[in-house]
Amino acid sequence: DAGVTQSPTHLIKTRGQQVTLRCSPKSGHDTVSWYQQALGQGPQFIFQYYEEEERQRGNFPDRFSGHQFPNYSSELNVNALLLGDSALYLCASSVLNGINYGYTFGSGTRLTVV
Amino acid sequence: TQLLEQSPQFLSIQEGENLTVYCNSSSVFSSLQWYRQEPGEGPVLLVTVVTGGEVKKLKRLTFQFGDARKDSSLHITAAQTGDTGLYLCAGPPRTNNDMRFGAGTRLTVKP
Repeated sequence: DAGVTQSPTHLIKTRGQQVTLRCSPKSGHDTVSWYQQALGQGPQFIFQYYEEEERQRGNFPDRFSGHQFPNYSSELNVNALLLGDSALYLCASSVLNGINYGYTFGSGTRLTVV
Repeated sequence: TQLLEQSPQFLSIQEGENLTVYCNSSSVFSSLQWYRQEPGEGPVLLVTVVTGGEVKKLKRLTFQFGDARKDSSLHITAAQTGDTGLYLCAGPPRTNNDMRFGAGTRLTVKP
């Protein structure tokens, strides 16, 4: 049973560029959440998608946007990249209203902005 | 400020020692979860505690949820080098249905 798959694993972008990160959730999961984890920090919640709609959003600017597709996979888009956007971006899948069962995380995409 | 405060931030001990790490909040949580994360990987769920006062054991790991559901602790007995990692607590605030994480405790167990 495949877990959460994220692509790419590593990415280097120039300040001001745009980036798209991709996530395929665990089989049977319908909810995708995105997190940003800076070096030495805990994951910070960006937003959560369910039924192709953004359900919850953390304290991130509008430069961060997302999408969920009918097959539950998801994308995270970041526009006008800043040096401070360099981080590990984690995708987590779950079942809506099954939060007590925990999240399944992918291995993340390491984004470096230069 | 973090919704969930974890302490200590760093902990370095010798193999065989016992340790306790803490997760505290001023908010009430419907549940709290503990994850372990290794370098280059995503967090992996260890346990979920749901009931105030609940204690769960996972081999040498003991997890406790505070009576008021605002705090939790993780106790490791006879630590092993394989326990090295970042321990994260997380939970859904009562007003939301998403998961918020603490900053983590980075544990190093030396041989």
